[in-house]
Amino acid sequence: NAGVMQNPRHLVRRRGQEARLRCSPVKGHSHVYWYRQLPEEGLKFMVYLQKENIIDESGMPKERFSAEFPKEGPSILRIQQVVRGDSAAYFCASSLGQGALNFGPGTRLTVT
Amino acid sequence: GESVGLHLPTLSVQEGDNSIINCAYSNSASDYFIWYKQESGKGPQFIIDIRSNMDKRQGQRVTVLLNKTVKHLSLQIAATQPGDSAVYFCAVMYSGGGADGLTFGKGTHLIIQP
Repeated sequence: NAGVMQNPRHLVRRRGQEARLRCSPVKGHSHVYWYRQLPEEGLKFMVYLQKENIIDESGMPKERFSAEFPKEGPSILRIQQVVRGDSAAYFCASSLGQGALNFGPGTRLTVT
Repeated sequence: GESVGLHLPTLSVQEGDNSIINCAYSNSASDYFIWYKQESGKGPQFIIDIRSNMDKRQGQRVTVLLNKTVKHLSLQIAATQPGDSAVYFCAVMYSGGGADGLTFGKGTHLIIQP
């Protein structure tokens, strides 16, 4: 009964590089959410996906950020041309569609 | 939209005492409420939830109270232990509306004094 898996746990990128964050939901969960957390802050919703579909991306910056949840494989949050302000912890969560979200351990992105 | 606020950023209690963490929300249509615990360097961990058709729910050493009249939610932890030290977030959802996820408050850092 593995929970939500995220990798890498820590990611260091130089300004201008690309960051790819992966999330494997709980087995059987088809709903995936991505959240961003800055130090001393709460979690900010970014995007909600179901298999192969983006349901709501209202919390995601319009530029440089994209997310996908393909039919096979993990969900990917992609950040192009990273800037220092992208440094944060990114959490993925999954659910069956109703009820509480199960969160992963997060990926801590540091942009140097 | 929804906004969620916590009354205290930090709460310090003696080990063995009871603690109460409060949360306020703005959208009267919100109907699902969850408390999460986040330890340093880890993801949020589900503690307890409550739906709007209830005003109280109990778990092991934890109780959640919901007052829909004043849009207030609280988490009570009985007989606090060192392992309870963490940041506690309330999260709110309107399950019948938009497709976004939970709206989180900023968190209360619970410190257990020996």
